Amino acid sequence: GQQVMQIPQYQHVQEGEDFTTYCNSSTTLSNIQWYKQRPGGHPVFLIQLVKSGEVKKQKRLTFQFGEAKKNSSLHITATQTTDVGTYFCASGQKTSYDKVIFGPGTSLSVIP
Amino acid sequence: SQTIHQWPATLVQPVGSPLSLECTVEGTSNPNLYWYRQAAGRGLQLLFYSVGIGQISSEVPQNLSASRPQDRQFILSSKKLLLSDSGFYLCAWSNEGYTGELFFGEGSRLTVL
Repeated sequence: GQQVMQIPQYQHVQEGEDFTTYCNSSTTLSNIQWYKQRPGGHPVFLIQLVKSGEVKKQKRLTFQFGEAKKNSSLHITATQTTDVGTYFCASGQKTSYDKVIFGPGTSLSVIP
Repeated sequence: SQTIHQWPATLVQPVGSPLSLECTVEGTSNPNLYWYRQAAGRGLQLLFYSVGIGQISSEVPQNLSASRPQDRQFILSSKKLLLSDSGFYLCAWSNEGYTGELFFGEGSRLTVL
């Protein structure tokens, strides 16, 4: 079935540095969502992208959906300690939108 | 407003014992319901999802089962737990027809000894 992969698995940055995580699929995605999970918590929805080449911004976070709809990225500018957590991409499967598959996640650590 | 409740929050069970995790959603009708499992430091593995009462789709062959006896109730069960069943179990719901956002419960942390 359709799978989404994420890189890197872990990222350690100094506070103030930028951070990017990438989500890739071998097949065309109908949509992509991004979630954040704080340590010990549950995933919280950040955003959804559905259009080819779409770019959305939330304060210091920038989300992109590739032109071919096979990849996506989340970029954080000037990281803060509050950005610590694991960032997941997810997608509703093309054959059954109700089936939502998550990528393995990127764990972000921010060094003060 | 919609809320999701999941319990118990934490449990420690011996190998071979049964399991029942319950999840209920309030404030919405005919939601899609999901069970995910997260091993320590790992990603989210989809276990079951349901688009309606009595309709369960299983993703991973295992000794777990799910049931949806009521529209807003989703139960995860096992007759005999294995050590490998340890993990963080997350229930989630979405609007009917999946509009792109999953709402997660607080999770149930299961340790099998």
